[in-house]
Amino acid sequence: NIVLTQSPATLSVTPGESVSLSCRASQSISTSIHWYQQKSNESPRLLIKYASQSISGIPSRFSGSGSGTDFTLSINRVESEDFSIYYCQQSYSSLYTFGAGTKLELK
Amino acid sequence: EVQLVESGGGLVQPGRSLKLSCAASGFTFSNYYMAWVRQAPKKGLEWVATISTSGSRTYYPDSVKGRFTISRDNAKSSLYLQMNSLKSEDTATYYCARHGPFMYTTDYYFHYWGQGVMVTVSS
Repeated sequence: NIVLTQSPATLSVTPGESVSLSCRASQSISTSIHWYQQKSNESPRLLIKYASQSISGIPSRFSGSGSGTDFTLSINRVESEDFSIYYCQQSYSSLYTFGAGTKLELK
Repeated sequence: EVQLVESGGGLVQPGRSLKLSCAASGFTFSNYYMAWVRQAPKKGLEWVATISTSGSRTYYPDSVKGRFTISRDNAKSSLYLQMNSLKSEDTATYYCARHGPFMYTTDYYFHYWGQGVMVTVSS
């Protein structure tokens, strides 16, 4: 199975800061990586597909980059509503896997 | 508006069975691969099963293969998950999810998610 390692596990920031969340794959997966946001007691929400493609209705401050094994989700100027857990997911293999998540918390 | 509404969760004893349902609306159900994803309490996300548009192809991780069966009824716009030989580690919230638009590969993301249904396996 393809293992996704997300770092850091927790990121403490103040509103207005810009942040980068990392997701590393155990083998090359081209751009078959997707990012989700999960707020407390809510269902996950798709943020970015295929590493860098935007999703309708998602604020433009969210962006993605990377290919191969290293991927990044960037949030430009974090807002209070962004404090939640972020997961990456690979679809290079039909045995889909998720990373363990990065919790973005208020400093 | 895409809507996915799960039902059928509850408390079940280890070794017993349970069947989850997902009612879909707001899109042409038969045109999309569908999936189940679960989340154990205070844990991360784990993909459980995927089914093709016609139902002829199914995919499972090793953790549930042979115990869980995903199926669909396109006439009823409904997705199902039959769970047999349940274990305590199957305790989780189970989400019904719609994959992205049809492709000739399985390179899919999970686009829309239901609100989830809780399954607790305990004696």
